[in-house]
Amino acid sequence: NAGVTQTPKFRILKIGQSMTLQCTQDMNHNYMYWYRQDPGMGLKLIYYSVGAGITDKGEVPNGYNVSRSTTEDFPLRLELAAPSQTSVYFCASYSGANVLTFGAGSRLTVL
Amino acid sequence: QKEVEQNSGPLSVPEGAIASLNCTYSDRGSQSFFWYRQYSGKSPELIMFIYSNGDKEDGRFTAQLNKASQYVSLLIRDSQPSDSATYLCAGNTGNQFYFGTGTSLTVIP
Repeated sequence: NAGVTQTPKFRILKIGQSMTLQCTQDMNHNYMYWYRQDPGMGLKLIYYSVGAGITDKGEVPNGYNVSRSTTEDFPLRLELAAPSQTSVYFCASYSGANVLTFGAGSRLTVL
Repeated sequence: QKEVEQNSGPLSVPEGAIASLNCTYSDRGSQSFFWYRQYSGKSPELIMFIYSNGDKEDGRFTAQLNKASQYVSLLIRDSQPSDSATYLCAGNTGNQFYFGTGTSLTVIP
């Protein structure tokens, strides 16, 4: 099992560009999450999904969109990138039994 | 708003000592609590979780939960330089998780 796979690992964007962060899990978990982590800060929830076709906003959703067409995939879309979106993004999936598994992270810089 | 508060540190302990990490939480309805270790530039990895009052031991790690005081702690016995990392405390209610800002631990050889 690969667990939770995120791509790309690193990306530099110009202000106003758009991109998609990919996240795939092979554990058949219904629950998936996108967090961002700024230096010295905890994890802030951007969006989450409780199953295919169902998504909901977290704490900091502005400037982002998600979709969940399959159980495995949960991409995060950044539209009109802004410097405030410079961060490390983590995708995670949850077994429902106290195990939340994170991907390796995607480091995004917006210049 | 559900919150977890941790002392950001940094906390320094000598090799072989006991490191004690603490957090408090705001939501009495929270069901389980988690300790994650995060090395610099890496993703958080689960050390252990606890959902019952009292102590839970796993090797060199002991988690303690006091629901009356809304307090969670992690003890690391025989601390090793490889334990140097940021430790994140988290709670959950159903399928929602919320994280503290982390405590930085340095184990000095």
